[in-house]
Amino acid sequence: EIVLTQSPGTLSLSPGERATLSCRASQSVDSDYLAWYQQKPGQAPRLLIYGVSSRATGIPDRFSGSGSGTDFTLTISRLEPEDFAMYYCQQYSSLPWTFGQGTKVDFK
Amino acid sequence: QVQLVQSGAEVKKPGDSVKVSCKASGYTFTSHCIHWVRQAPGQGLQWMGMINPSRETTTYEQKLQDRVTMTWDTSTSTVYMELSSLRSDDTAVYYCARDPYYGSGSFNYFDYWGQGTMVTVSS
Repeated sequence: EIVLTQSPGTLSLSPGERATLSCRASQSVDSDYLAWYQQKPGQAPRLLIYGVSSRATGIPDRFSGSGSGTDFTLTISRLEPEDFAMYYCQQYSSLPWTFGQGTKVDFK
Repeated sequence: QVQLVQSGAEVKKPGDSVKVSCKASGYTFTSHCIHWVRQAPGQGLQWMGMINPSRETTTYEQKLQDRVTMTWDTSTSTVYMELSSLRSDDTAVYYCARDPYYGSGSFNYFDYWGQGTMVTVSS
């Protein structure tokens, strides 16, 4: 199974700052089959990015995804107060579909 | 609008079974796969399996396949996930989630999620 390792575990930033979240795969993720989700406490995850860099419907353009092979990045260009949350990457290249352990973006 | 509405919280004893439902609305039920994902308290997300109502197939995560059964009722647009021989480490929030692929295939990421069902396993 493909293991996804996210870093850092916690990112402490202020509104307006840039957030860069990393997701590294234990083997190559074929065909750019990587997604990112945001989750707030007590809520279900929300799809942000699929296919490495395509934004889901209604997702603001301050969220962007990049990468290939085994290294992927989610960037939030300027943090808004509502962006402070947990973020998960997910690969759907190889069964079983797996998630990273998450990166928490919290207030500095 | 697309909605996935799940059944309520459950408390079970070790060795019991639990059956969680997920009622879909706002789209053609047979045109999208439904996946199940669980999240233990304070932990990450684990994919459990999926149903493809168009092809009438199921695919389970290998580690769970001896204990999990996913079924569906097209007449009510409802998907069910049953987990047997429950253990304390099955305590988690269980989510159903829709696959965005329209048709008989699947993309295997998740565009709409249910609200989650808390299952607590405790003696």
